[in-house]
Amino acid sequence: GAVVSQHPSRVICKSGTSVKIECRSLDFQATTMFWYRQFPKQSLMLMATSNEGSKATYEQGVEKDKFLINHASLTLSTLTVTSAHPEDSSFYICSASEVNYGYTFGSGTRLTVV
Amino acid sequence: GNSVTQMEGPVTLSEEAFLTINCTYTATGYPSLFWYVQYPGEGLQLLLKATKADDKGSNKGFEATYRKETTSFHLEKGSVQVSDSAVYFCALSDPADDYKLSFGAGTTVTVRA
Repeated sequence: GAVVSQHPSRVICKSGTSVKIECRSLDFQATTMFWYRQFPKQSLMLMATSNEGSKATYEQGVEKDKFLINHASLTLSTLTVTSAHPEDSSFYICSASEVNYGYTFGSGTRLTVV
Repeated sequence: GNSVTQMEGPVTLSEEAFLTINCTYTATGYPSLFWYVQYPGEGLQLLLKATKADDKGSNKGFEATYRKETTSFHLEKGSVQVSDSAVYFCALSDPADDYKLSFGAGTTVTVRA
């Protein structure tokens, strides 16, 4: 089946620094990847949709300059949280979409900004 | 817009009890419906899905039937195990909204031995 690898699983960073999260589709090509944010005991909020080779589409209220998304190949999308602050601490999850497999989710990244 | 409403938790059950989690939806188009499960500290795993009315999705003893007339997709399992303890999310994917997934709030289920 389809596997999506997300890395790192946990990261702690200092306030003001940037953090990059990678999402890879291991055995299929993902033309579309999605990035979600999940607050404790809450549902997933779609942040943005990224399509290979084009700019990401951000949901309303998501700062595109703060959450930089790059989808440079059919198997890799990255989310960079720039100038992170404690309020950016959250669980970030990526998902890849492919015709045969539907949606496959990564295992998530727990970001803690101190 | 699209939305998914699911039963609020948390739900605590004894092993071998019957589990049901209600889910209703609103959608602009004709959506596909999903149940995802999230174990602590992990991402989401697809549990089951249904793509058209009256379809029944099933997996690992869980079942859900796509009811268009009541816009519902309730999740059921006849006999739960401790290993079923997790958060369950109902979701829909609407072609009228570029197939984006819309999630319910999630229901935390705890099964006690």
